[in-house]
Amino acid sequence: SAVISQKPSRDICQRGTSLTIQCQVDSQVTMMFWYRQQPGQSLTLIATANQGSEATYESGFVIDKFPISRPNLTFSTLTVSNMSPEDSSIYLCSVGQGVNYGYTFGSGTRLTVV
Amino acid sequence: QKEVEQNSGPLSVPEGAIASLNCTYSDRGSQSFFWYRQYSGKSPELIMFIYSNGDKEDGRFTAQLNKASQYVSLLIRDSQPSDSATYLCAVRLEASGSARQLTFGSGTQLTVLP
Repeated sequence: SAVISQKPSRDICQRGTSLTIQCQVDSQVTMMFWYRQQPGQSLTLIATANQGSEATYESGFVIDKFPISRPNLTFSTLTVSNMSPEDSSIYLCSVGQGVNYGYTFGSGTRLTVV
Repeated sequence: QKEVEQNSGPLSVPEGAIASLNCTYSDRGSQSFFWYRQYSGKSPELIMFIYSNGDKEDGRFTAQLNKASQYVSLLIRDSQPSDSATYLCAVRLEASGSARQLTFGSGTQLTVLP
């Protein structure tokens, strides 16, 4: 399965600032996703990162707040913009390589907004 | 109704026993089903996935799928204290034009008692 490097692993940020999270995969993958996991909760899909085009956002998530880039098949970034304490969460990158394979997760970014 | 439902637990079993984790889903079009294990403070780790009715075995783990009943389960035989974690059920709806993202249940917390 693909190996994912996600950075940073954690950060403490001031409200009103932005943080960009990077996801680097060791092989080309067809599907890349960004999830959020709030404390004690399950995973919620933020968006699908599309290579060479705008990301596809889920209900409740907007591009102005969570801009996503995917310049190629091995790399994506998620930015959390104009942060508030409610954005404190774990953010996870996930990749899929096809219908006969499972989906792999990065190690996550633990974000605390103060 | 939630799309993917799991008993939140917590579920406790003695060491060496069989742990049974259950999951139901609402969308009859769902095609693939995944079980993830998540240790506290870590990202989800894929245990196995299944897409055909019946049983699929991998070591001490067996996934069971019944599409007619919209039910998928995970059995863990000879449970070990190291199996203590939160188990997440995820479902993929494969449709034309779909990005094939996963929808997660809320997770079941399992504790294996020595």
